[in-house]
Amino acid sequence: DAGVTQSPTHLIKTRGQHVTLRCSPISGHKSVSWYQQVLGQGPQFIFQYYEKEERGRGNFPDRFSARQFPNYSSELNVNALLLGDSALYLCASSLGPDSTDTQYFGPGTRLTVL
Amino acid sequence: DAKTTQPPSMDCAEGRAANLPCNHSTISGNEYVYWYRQIHSQGPQYIIHGLKNNETNEMASLIITEDRKSSTLILPHATLRDTAVYYCIVSKTGANNLFFGTGTRLTVIP
Repeated sequence: DAGVTQSPTHLIKTRGQHVTLRCSPISGHKSVSWYQQVLGQGPQFIFQYYEKEERGRGNFPDRFSARQFPNYSSELNVNALLLGDSALYLCASSLGPDSTDTQYFGPGTRLTVL
Repeated sequence: DAKTTQPPSMDCAEGRAANLPCNHSTISGNEYVYWYRQIHSQGPQYIIHGLKNNETNEMASLIITEDRKSSTLILPHATLRDTAVYYCIVSKTGANNLFFGTGTRLTVIP
């Protein structure tokens, strides 16, 4: 079975631009979460979506937004990019948001903001 | 969710058991202990989780103390491919937002 997939794998943008990152969950998983991982730190929670509804939001500015589609895939959008947004963006999927089941992570998208 | 404390780094000889400790003294009764690892520049990989009892799977064993205030992840026969950052996470559900902290960087030495 295919795991969580993310696209693109790498991306270079300049300050002020916007970016869209994409994620496809494991088949049958209805919950998608997004994490940001800055170099040298652990992943930090950004959003969780379940059945197209936002179920949780971390401490990130409104420049960050996301959505989930009927097929449970998801997009993360970041507007007005700052140098500090350079990071590995990870997507994780799970069966549902309240399950003791685990999250399964994709390989991530490496975003570099110049 | 309760926070955890892990040593920043550990070394282990190849073929020996790697024992990674984690303190979670403020854990509540309905919180699980999850372990993930992250090999360089890859997404985190789930290893194991438990509530009260010790758990074992094909990757590792998880030993949780009786008072649940600490736990140990055991990799029985460490290989070079086990070199990674290991995260201990306490959460009511593994499917919701996880607080990763900074983890323990395990280096397996030939």
